[in-house]
Amino acid sequence: EPEVTQTPSHQVTQMGQEVILRCVPISNHLYFYWYRQILGQKVEFLVSFYNNEISEKSEIFDDQFSVERPDGSNFTLKIRSTKLEDSAMYFCASSLGLAEQYFGPGTRLTVT
Amino acid sequence: AQTVTQSQPEMSVQEAETVTLSCTYDTSESDYYLFWYKQPPSRQMILVIRQEAYKQQNATENRFSVNFQKAAKSFSLKISDSQLGDAAMYFCAYRGVQGAQKLVFGQGTRLTINP
Repeated sequence: EPEVTQTPSHQVTQMGQEVILRCVPISNHLYFYWYRQILGQKVEFLVSFYNNEISEKSEIFDDQFSVERPDGSNFTLKIRSTKLEDSAMYFCASSLGLAEQYFGPGTRLTVT
Repeated sequence: AQTVTQSQPEMSVQEAETVTLSCTYDTSESDYYLFWYKQPPSRQMILVIRQEAYKQQNATENRFSVNFQKAAKSFSLKISDSQLGDAAMYFCAYRGVQGAQKLVFGQGTRLTINP
């Protein structure tokens, strides 16, 4: 069964450094998303991406964040200058249309 | 803006018994989707069940079923014959039907299964 994959599973970085989180969505899906979950809290939407452009972003998704689909398979989230409060689990998700979104296993980001 | 509320931070149930997790939501849309996701300790988000708002029939997936009350904006999850592997955080989520609609999650309910 096709699944969403994410790399790395755990990333440790120093405050102020740039990180890139990578995702490979399910191959025939058209909509791509990033969510984050701070430990013990609910899952929060960051950004959605469709037809090679951002379709919606939350107030969390400020100028420090960017997304890219550099080729036909990868979908990346870049944080330019990480802050301590960026420490969270980051989930990539994809969907074919208006149906359910399928989540990857997540990348745990630790900013020290 | 849509909101999703799960009023039970924690629930527990004896193995083999039935448990119901509550969820309410607020929206002005008439058509939408509702979901329950399970998050075990691995923190993977696993889809449990979905409900389309235009369908009157409640969705069922094996031991999991929902009670969807559209007028009351209520969407509860019933787990029958609870198993130890059902222990997890359960999140209720809402999704609209226009464009690349995001999921809006509730705060989650931690379910413990007592052997």
